[in-house]
Amino acid sequence: EADIYQTPRYLVIGTGKKITLECSQTMGHDKMYWYQQDPGMELHLIHYSYGVNSTEKGDLSSESTVSRIRTEHFPLTLESARPSHTSQYLCASTTDSHYNSPLHFGNGTRLTVT
Amino acid sequence: KNQVEQSPQSLIILEGKNCTLQCNYTVSPFSNLRWYKQDTGRGPVSLTIMTFSENTKSNGRYTATLDADTKQSSLHITASQLSDSASYICVVSDRGSTLGRLYFGRGTQLTVWP
Repeated sequence: EADIYQTPRYLVIGTGKKITLECSQTMGHDKMYWYQQDPGMELHLIHYSYGVNSTEKGDLSSESTVSRIRTEHFPLTLESARPSHTSQYLCASTTDSHYNSPLHFGNGTRLTVT
Repeated sequence: KNQVEQSPQSLIILEGKNCTLQCNYTVSPFSNLRWYKQDTGRGPVSLTIMTFSENTKSNGRYTATLDADTKQSSLHITASQLSDSASYICVVSDRGSTLGRLYFGRGTQLTVWP
C-alpha cells in the first residue's frame, strides 16, 4: 500500500462553510493531484502540482483552491461549500509526469454538503 | 476527442469463474494503458501497465492484453475470488505534450458471489 493519507474520511457540512481537505504523502513525490469521483463516472482532475509553489487547475471547473508549501502536503480548500460539491475527493501522487509510474491514491474524503 | 470506454458497466459472476473486462480508447498519441482496481471505500490501486509494444502481461490471476492497432485492451480474471469484487478502471496516458495527460474510463463494477 502507498503512503498517502487523506483526512477526514467522511465530512458532513452545511452550505456556506469553509472546509479544507488534507492530503499528505511520505514518498517524496513531486507530482500531486486532486480528483473528484462520482458514482459510475470517470475521475475528473480538479487541481495538480508538480512541486513546491507550483499549482495548476485541472479540467473540471472548480471553486476550490490548493496550496503546495511543502512537498509532502497538498491541501484542498472550499471557501464556501455548496450541495453541488457533494462528492468523493481523491488525492494522488506519482514520481513521473508521463505516468510510466503509477498514481498512488489516498482512500478519499467523502464530502456531503447539506 | 480522446476517450476511454469500458464495458460492461457492471458484471456479476460466481466465485471460481473467469471473466473479461473490456476497454476501448481513442487516445492519441498513445503512451501507456494502466488497469486499476478500486475496492469500495478505497483509492484505486494499479494492477498492471501496458505499453505500445506489449501484447500480454500477467499479474497473478490478472492478465491484461493490448491491441494497439484496434485500440482495445482487456483484463481477464481467472478463478475469481470474493476479494475480486471491486471497480476496475482503465486509464490511458498520452504522450502528446511535455507533461502527459491521463484519460479515465468509468470503470466496470465487478461483483463476485459465493
